[in-house]
Amino acid sequence: DAGVTQSPTHLIKTRGQQVTLRCSPKSGHDTVSWYQQALGQGPQFIFQYYEEEERQRGNFPDRFSGHQFPNYSSELNVNALLLGDSALYLCASSYGLVSDTQYFGPGTRLTVL
Amino acid sequence: KQEVTQIPAALSVPEGENLVLNCSFTDSAIYNLQWFRQDPGKGLTSLLLIQSSQREQTSGRLNASLDKSSGRSTLYIAASQPGDSATYLCAVRRSSSNTGKLIFGQGTTLQVKP
Repeated sequence: DAGVTQSPTHLIKTRGQQVTLRCSPKSGHDTVSWYQQALGQGPQFIFQYYEEEERQRGNFPDRFSGHQFPNYSSELNVNALLLGDSALYLCASSYGLVSDTQYFGPGTRLTVL
Repeated sequence: KQEVTQIPAALSVPEGENLVLNCSFTDSAIYNLQWFRQDPGKGLTSLLLIQSSQREQTSGRLNASLDKSSGRSTLYIAASQPGDSATYLCAVRRSSSNTGKLIFGQGTTLQVKP
């Protein structure tokens, strides 16, 4: 049983560009959350998707947007990249909105030059 | 606004020592608290979850305690091993509806020397 998978593993972009990160949840899970983890910091919640809708959002600008597909996979899009967007982006999946158990993927390391 | 703090930021101990990692939070109105482990460049693995009504949880050599009134949690690691070297993060969940929104501390990076 595959756990949470994310692609790509690493990504290098330049300022002003746009990026799309992808996440496939663990089998049987229907809820996906995205986190940003800057170097040396704890993860910060970006948003959560359930039933193809954004259900909760953290304190991130509108440059950060997402999508959830009918198969429960999800994308995170970041527009007009800034140097400060360089981070490890983590995806977590769970079953339903109230589950205590979240499984995290290995993350996508984004470097903005 | 809930803030989570972990002290120390880094810790180095010889193999076999018992150690305690600390986590504090500013708002005692939490639903639960989790401790995670993160290996370099990797995702997070949940170690222990303590519901707000519980005082502690144990798994093998790990024991986590929770004192809501003082806004503190500790992770106790017994007989540390080099394989325990990793970053340990605590995270709080504020309510039963905010399932995805975990608020993390900045982590404690542990090195266990053989």
